[in-house]
Amino acid sequence: GQNIDQPTEMTATEGAIVQINCTYQTSGFNGLFWYQQHAGEAPTFLSYNVLDGLEEKGRFSSFLSRSKGYSYLLLKELQMKDSASYLCAFRRDSSYKLIFGSGTRLLVRP
Amino acid sequence: DAGITQSPRHKVTETGTPVTLRCHQTENHRYMYWYRQDPGHGLRLIHYSYGVKDTDKGEVSDGYSVSRSKTEDFLLTLESATSSQTSVYFCAISDPSGHYEQYFGPGTRLTVT
Repeated sequence: GQNIDQPTEMTATEGAIVQINCTYQTSGFNGLFWYQQHAGEAPTFLSYNVLDGLEEKGRFSSFLSRSKGYSYLLLKELQMKDSASYLCAFRRDSSYKLIFGSGTRLLVRP
Repeated sequence: DAGITQSPRHKVTETGTPVTLRCHQTENHRYMYWYRQDPGHGLRLIHYSYGVKDTDKGEVSDGYSVSRSKTEDFLLTLESATSSQTSVYFCAISDPSGHYEQYFGPGTRLTVT
């Protein structure tokens, strides 16, 4: 089968670093995606990983380990506006659909 | 940002009435999707389309139908709305020219009373 897990909620302090983990199980894999969703808004695409390693994009970085079925999203220099839900999703081989996790709600406190 | 619009953005309707939600894209993306999002359930795929007149069911398709007569438009119909269909509905698009990342419309908040 296929499954994807991420923590339900996390809290962090403004200016700090936070790591949001995501684990997945699938019989085939063809990409890991991260989305940000502010309350009352649509999800927006943040990052894509298909090879092992770290992809950096400004304050946000995403890591993938295909052998471990594991990814994380790293947010540096946290700002209040980073308070949002972060959704992890993967794509299976020969499929164009994405399988989404339930999301991690991140609360950034002053 | 991808050009995706949804209409209406908000709707209140009564149980038993038909409702149609529209998704319109200007990106010429091949694939289109309808999701619903409810607290505790995340995004759940209702129906999707892989081309004009080509559609298929997702994981929560009961009570919903779709149509795609043009590349740019994907319609979601609730034939007879029920209170359990109160939700936020998102349309999304993707294309093989990228990595199949999905871009989402602004959402429609539907309340069935």
